[in-house]
Amino acid sequence: LAKTTQPISMDSYEGQEVNITCSHNNIATNDYITWYQQFPSQGPRFIIQGYKTKVTNEVASLFIPADRKSSTLSLPRVSLSDTAVYYCLLQTYGGATNKLIFGTGTLLAVQP
Amino acid sequence: DVKVTQSSRYLVKRTGEKVFLECVQDMDHENMFWYRQDPGLGLRLIYFSYDVKMKEKGDIPEGYSVSREKKERFSLILESASTNQTSMYLCASSLSPQRQSNQPQHFGDGTRLSIL
Repeated sequence: LAKTTQPISMDSYEGQEVNITCSHNNIATNDYITWYQQFPSQGPRFIIQGYKTKVTNEVASLFIPADRKSSTLSLPRVSLSDTAVYYCLLQTYGGATNKLIFGTGTLLAVQP
Repeated sequence: DVKVTQSSRYLVKRTGEKVFLECVQDMDHENMFWYRQDPGLGLRLIYFSYDVKMKEKGDIPEGYSVSREKKERFSLILESASTNQTSMYLCASSLSPQRQSNQPQHFGDGTRLSIL
C-alpha cells in the first residue's frame, strides 16, 4: 500500500486558516484520500475524504490537484479546540475491506 | 450516530497472563479492526475482520489473536502478555465497501493497557 508523508507538527493562532499538505507520490487509481483528527485519549475521528479536485464539508476543505500526488487539508479560522493530531491516509477500495495505513500524523498546535 | 465501545479505558495485567480486549459496535458494520498506537509509530493494524468468523492479519499480528463470533463484537486476545505489548489499543468498525463506497472507519476511545 502507498505511503503518505506529512509534516510532523505545525503551529497556528486562533482565527487563522491552516493548510496541512500531504504527499502521496505512489497513489493508485483506486485510492481515496482520507483525513482523520485525533484528540488526546480519544480514537481518531473522520474529517473528510476525496478523490480529485475539491471537497468541502462543514468542518474542512480538501484540495487535490490533477496528478493526485499530494493533497491539502484546509481548516478555516481555527480555534484552540482544533489542537489535535491530523492523519492523512490512502484508502483503497475494490477488495473485501477498506484497510487503512496510518502514519505518525501532524500535530497542530493552536495558540491564543 | 455510530458508537464503538471498548470494554475498558485502562487495564493493568501481569506478564504471561491471557488478556481479552472487547469491542462492540451498534451500527451493523461488516468490518471491524484492531490497532495499537505507540508514540512515534502512529496507528498500526493488528487484525481485521470483514465478516463473522472471518479474520485477516494486519501488519503486526504476532502475539495476538482475535475472535468474531457475532457481527457486533470483535475481541482481541493477548495469548501470553509481554511488556512490549503495553500500548493504547483502538478498535474501529466500518461498512463493507460492497454495501456503500467511501466508508470511513469509526473508532472507539481506546484501551490503555499496561503489562507489568
